[in-house]
Amino acid sequence: KAGVTQTPRYLIKTRGQQVTLSCSPISGHRSVSWYQQTPGQGLQFLFEYFSETQRNKGNFPGRFSGRQFSNSRSEMNVSTLELGDSALYLCASSGDRGPTGELFFGEGSRLTVL
Amino acid sequence: GENVEQHPSTLSVQEGDSAVIKCTYSDSASNYFPWYKQELGKGPQLIIDIRSNVGEKKDQRIAVTLNKTAKHFSLHITETQPEDSAVYFCAAINMNYGGSQGNLIFGKGTKLSVKP
Repeated sequence: KAGVTQTPRYLIKTRGQQVTLSCSPISGHRSVSWYQQTPGQGLQFLFEYFSETQRNKGNFPGRFSGRQFSNSRSEMNVSTLELGDSALYLCASSGDRGPTGELFFGEGSRLTVL
Repeated sequence: GENVEQHPSTLSVQEGDSAVIKCTYSDSASNYFPWYKQELGKGPQLIIDIRSNVGEKKDQRIAVTLNKTAKHFSLHITETQPEDSAVYFCAAINMNYGGSQGNLIFGKGTKLSVKP
């Protein structure tokens, strides 16, 4: 069974640009979550989608947005990039809606903003 | 909202020694506490979890303890091996109030180095 796939793995952007990251969850998983990982802040929750609906949202500005498609694939978008947006963006999928599900993480998309 | 603090941020041990990582949480309603291990260049992976109705859970060389009164939980790794070297994250969530696996609140991580 294929794991969580994130593309692209690495990308470099300049301030003011926008970026779209893609995540393909494990087949059959309907929940997709996004996290931002930085050395100073650790893993910070961005948002979670379940069956194409945003179920939870973290404390990030509106420049960060996401969506989920009918096949459970998800994208996140960051507009008007800032230097501080440089981070590893992790996507995780879960097959369970309830408390017993495990988060399966992808290897991340490393974004560098110059 | 929930806040999770994790200590220490770095930990170095000799192979064969034990390692302990501690986390405290702020929301007394949190009832699910997983631990994730992140190896270099990879995403975090669940290694063990505990629910609030249990005080301790073991899985081979790994154990987690939970003190609900003090609102802290710990990861214990015995007989450490070089392959245990990684970053470990604790997390907490209230699964009964709109919480789900997807919006876990993580600690900032502990970089464990096991020296051969």
